[in-house]
Amino acid sequence: EIVLTQSPATLSLSPGERATLSCRASQSVDSYLAWYQQKPGQAPRLLIYDASNRATGIPARFSGSGSRTDFTLTISSLEPEDFAVYYCQQRFHWPPITFGQGTRLEIK
Amino acid sequence: QVQLMQSGAEVKKPGSSVKVSCTASGGTFSTYAISWVRQAPGPGLEWMGGIIPLFGTPNYAQKFQGRVTITTDESTSTAYMELTSLTSEDTAVYYCARASDSGTYYYFDYWGQGTLVTVSS
Repeated sequence: EIVLTQSPATLSLSPGERATLSCRASQSVDSYLAWYQQKPGQAPRLLIYDASNRATGIPARFSGSGSRTDFTLTISSLEPEDFAVYYCQQRFHWPPITFGQGTRLEIK
Repeated sequence: QVQLMQSGAEVKKPGSSVKVSCTASGGTFSTYAISWVRQAPGPGLEWMGGIIPLFGTPNYAQKFQGRVTITTDESTSTAYMELTSLTSEDTAVYYCARASDSGTYYYFDYWGQGTLVTVSS
């Protein structure tokens, strides 16, 4: 089973700042990694798929990069609605499809 | 617009079973995989398994093998997840989620609203 490790666990930033979130896989997942955003009381929302492709309707301030074992989600300039929990997910080695444990992005 | 509507919250006794439904509307049902993902209290998402209705053969995470059954009813565009031998550790919000691409399980672009299952004596 592929283990995804996200860092940091919590990231405290202010609106307008740049956010950089990391996801590391226990073995290569090629580019088959996605990022999700989850707000309290809501289901997750797909942001990025195949490491760097934005999902439909996702603002351009969200970008993804990386391959094999190291991946990054970047939010170029934080908006108030961006403060949430972010998860990475791999689909290269499955079953099972696995998720990271999440990074909480909070307002500083 | 695709929508996934799940059944309501459940309270179950330890050792019992729960069956959660997920009804799809607004899109093609048969060729898109429906997966079940659960979230225990606190952050963290766990994929339990999924099924492509047209093919009918489910895939399960090994952790849940023998305890989970995922089925579909194409006539009502509904997917079901049944979990047996419940313990307090099964207390979680259970989501159904649709795959983003037909014929694959890859990523999840539509999600149900979640069903809270509480296991308590």
